[in-house]
Amino acid sequence: QVQVQESGPGLVKPSGTLSLTCTVSGDSISSSNWWNWVRQAPGKGLEWIAEVYHGGNIHYNPSLKTRVSISLDKSKNQFSLNLTSVTAADTAVYYCARDRDYGDSTWAFDIWGQGTLVTVSS
Amino acid sequence: EIVLTQSPGTLSLSPGERATLSCRASQSVASTYLVWYQQKPGQAPRLLIYGASSRATGIPDRFSGSGSGTDFTLTISGVEPEDFAIYYCQQYGSSVWTFGQGTKVEIK
Repeated sequence: QVQVQESGPGLVKPSGTLSLTCTVSGDSISSSNWWNWVRQAPGKGLEWIAEVYHGGNIHYNPSLKTRVSISLDKSKNQFSLNLTSVTAADTAVYYCARDRDYGDSTWAFDIWGQGTLVTVSS
Repeated sequence: EIVLTQSPGTLSLSPGERATLSCRASQSVASTYLVWYQQKPGQAPRLLIYGASSRATGIPDRFSGSGSGTDFTLTISGVEPEDFAIYYCQQYGSSVWTFGQGTKVEIK
């Protein structure tokens, strides 16, 4: 079955860069799906961060656009997130997720990783 | 950017009761891009409904979605003990995904 798994440091210093990788198994990063990052601050709701398609298309949350980048590594079947100039407000559980193409312009995040907590602290 | 407002914030119900959760958009949303998720404490969100009304694989038929335009509804026909959780709606428009703030369904 399809699985996605986040990995990366659990602690990042303020003003530093948060870097996470999502490893995909059971599906190809080059399939007709988009690949996403979503985060959830402690006790808060879900916030979409960014998505990438194998053709090179990328979309970002406008509120994070100046600090975030997303990329694919087709050779490793992975995609990654970089978030620069982090502050305590970026402390959250970060999820990677597959945005599945159901056809007829219908999409939804059907596969989620377990999430990884990233704390921004000195 | 389209804003989704979910109501009520908290819904207190006894098992077996019907749950009606609302998701209202600040402007019209294409039904194909309206999604519902369930999230339990310490877990990742779980896809329930896509395309406003299609149940995802393995989702019981007590869950149903409806609506169009700016008003969407998730209904649980008879809440089971495992349904107590937070529910989020989500939409896609102008190359941006947004989530509602969530509705918590709790045991009364």
